[in-house]
Amino acid sequence: SQTIHQWPATLVQPVGSPLSLECTVEGTSNPNLYWYRQAAGRGLQLLFYSVGIGQISSEVPQNLSASRPQDRQFILSSKKLLLSDSGFYLCAWSPRAGHGYTFGSGTRLTVV
Amino acid sequence: QQPVQSPQAVILREGEDAVINCSSSKALYSVHWYRQKHGEAPIFLMILLKGGEQKGHDKISASFNEKKQQSSLYLTASQLSYSGTYFCGTENSGGYQKVTFGTGTKLQVIP
Repeated sequence: SQTIHQWPATLVQPVGSPLSLECTVEGTSNPNLYWYRQAAGRGLQLLFYSVGIGQISSEVPQNLSASRPQDRQFILSSKKLLLSDSGFYLCAWSPRAGHGYTFGSGTRLTVV
Repeated sequence: QQPVQSPQAVILREGEDAVINCSSSKALYSVHWYRQKHGEAPIFLMILLKGGEQKGHDKISASFNEKKQQSSLYLTASQLSYSGTYFCGTENSGGYQKVTFGTGTKLQVIP
């Protein structure tokens, strides 16, 4: 069966520090991969999505970047965090169109 | 364009029914429904692909009116476990399955 792993679960980082969040999927190949962010009490904002290795589409211009170095690995990064980067970051995968998303357990990021 | 959900919040007693609506200003390819408990990741409930399609899962079902660009989620005989925030997600093309999530509906079921 397929599983999705996301880490770390929580993170407190100072303003101006770098960020790297990792997400991996097991038990499937060539998944569609997604990064969403959720501000406290708000909806889910799509940040990046990828349909293959090295293929990244950015939805919202901001202080973040994403990479997909391997088929089942998706990384969210920042060179210098801002206070506004705080939130609940969720990785998700889907096999293809016509299927729902499976979300990772999320990373709660607080920038101080 | 973010789909609009209504109501924003609803409180039910166990056993009561509820309807959550989701509407989009753009033509829809599919509609997803998810439930999120506080502090947890959203859980996939169902996806509707065709206009007029209805799907059901236990006492939770949904309809999709492609022409009106709307979907509704029906919760019947609600249980305490139904509490959470419900999100619809819409896909406007069948390409990369890029889903835009709605504003959310907070549902609380009380004894």
